[in-house]
Amino acid sequence: DAMVIQNPRYQVTQFGKPVTLSCSQTLNHNVMYWYQQKSSQAPKLLFHYYDKDFNNEADTPDNFQSRRPNTSFCFLDIRSPGLGDAAMYLCAAGGPTYNEQFFGPGTRLTVL
Amino acid sequence: SQQGEEDPQALSIQEGENATMNCSYKTSINNLQWYRQNSGRGLVHLILIRSNEREKHSGRLRVTLDTSKKSSSLLITASRAADTASYFCATGPQTGANNLFFGTGTRLTVIP
Repeated sequence: DAMVIQNPRYQVTQFGKPVTLSCSQTLNHNVMYWYQQKSSQAPKLLFHYYDKDFNNEADTPDNFQSRRPNTSFCFLDIRSPGLGDAAMYLCAAGGPTYNEQFFGPGTRLTVL
Repeated sequence: SQQGEEDPQALSIQEGENATMNCSYKTSINNLQWYRQNSGRGLVHLILIRSNEREKHSGRLRVTLDTSKKSSSLLITASRAADTASYFCATGPQTGANNLFFGTGTRLTVIP
């Protein structure tokens, strides 16, 4: 089945220690998104890639970076995680026109 | 912020009853979507309604959209215990990429 896969499902890191979350999709969609969702809150868009074009949301901290080496994979790098970065990180894939997004199961990040 | 708001924040009903959730948003939209999120999991797309549509049905789901009031509602009929989840509305803006801005969510509990 076509899907969006995120690894790992749970990630524990230490304060200030860089961490990378990964996402892959078998849908062959042009656009991939990263969202941050804190407990009991709405998902918040961090950035998205339209093919290789990177689009950052204005209020996304510089601490968050992303890479998309090919259509299938997209990575979220947190350069120096703080306690406030503990959250669920959701990856999604979607087409270029206005339509639904397909979400992965998420990676729950804990910062110690 | 383009984030929408949903009410109620939490809703508890008996199995077999109908559940209605409301969403209000702030900006002009191309479409509005509803997603379901089971605890600790990713989001699952339920239904999309475009700005030129007023009502849409999918199985036990009925969505309405009133662009003059910038509001939408999701009705789940004959609820089941398996419908227990958080429900989010998400708006797609008129211009730009297919970004979604999520509402604050309604936590639905269906009691068997």
